Amino acid sequence: GQQLNQSPQSMFIQEGEDVSMNCTSSSIFNTWLWYKQEPGEGPVLLIALYKAGELTSNGRLTAQFGITRKDSFLNISASIPSDVGIYFCAGQNTTSGTYKYIFGTGTRLKVLA
Amino acid sequence: SAVISQKPSRDICQRGTSLTIQCQVDSQVTMMFWYRQQPGQSLTLIATANQGSEATYESGFVIDKFPISRPNLTFSTLTVSNMSPEDSSIYLCSVEQGWSYEQYFGPGTRLTVT
Repeated sequence: GQQLNQSPQSMFIQEGEDVSMNCTSSSIFNTWLWYKQEPGEGPVLLIALYKAGELTSNGRLTAQFGITRKDSFLNISASIPSDVGIYFCAGQNTTSGTYKYIFGTGTRLKVLA
Repeated sequence: SAVISQKPSRDICQRGTSLTIQCQVDSQVTMMFWYRQQPGQSLTLIATANQGSEATYESGFVIDKFPISRPNLTFSTLTVSNMSPEDSSIYLCSVEQGWSYEQYFGPGTRLTVT
C-alpha cells in the first residue's frame, strides 16, 4: 500500500543533542499524527496536527504541519536515553471520504549516553 | 485517551490453523482498525471495522483470510485463517475516539506461524 517517506531512516545521536526528522508525501493531507513505538509495544500517539502551518509542542517534542500540506516535521530537543524507539508519521485526508491513515516508513532513533 | 487491550499478546501456531485475536476498548468508539506490522517495519492497514456494518478491507486483504467481527462499540476480533509462515507478523488494533481524528493503538499480538 501507499506509504509516506520519512527521513532519516535511522539516527544515532549523543544524549543532549537535538533531533529533527521529517515526513513527505505526494498527496495532500488534512491531519498529521506522530507516534513513537518501542520494542514489543504498540505505537503511542505523541502529537496531532490539524492545520497547515500549525506548530504544536508536547514537552521536548515539537511538530509542524507543512504549509504545502504534503509534509510534516518532528523535533526532539535535548534527547535522553528513553527517547530511543521508532518514530512514525501518519497522514489522513478525510475529504477523500475515508478515515484511514497512511503511515510513514519510520525513523529509528538511538541515543548514546 | 482510550485504553485498549489485545488477547493473546503472542502466540505460536501451526500452519493451516486459524487464530482469533481480540481487541477490547474501555470506552465506546465508532471506528476500529486492524493493522499488520512486520517487526521494525511500517504499519499496513488490513481493514476498518465499524459497528453495525461489514468491515472494509484494503487492497490485498480479503474477508475469507481475515474475517472480522464488530459486535458492539467496545469490542472487535480479527481471525487469521489457514495460516502460513508468511502470516507471521504483529497484528495491531486501533481506535479513533469521537471525531478527534486521533488514533490510539493496542499493544499488539505477535504471531509466529511454524
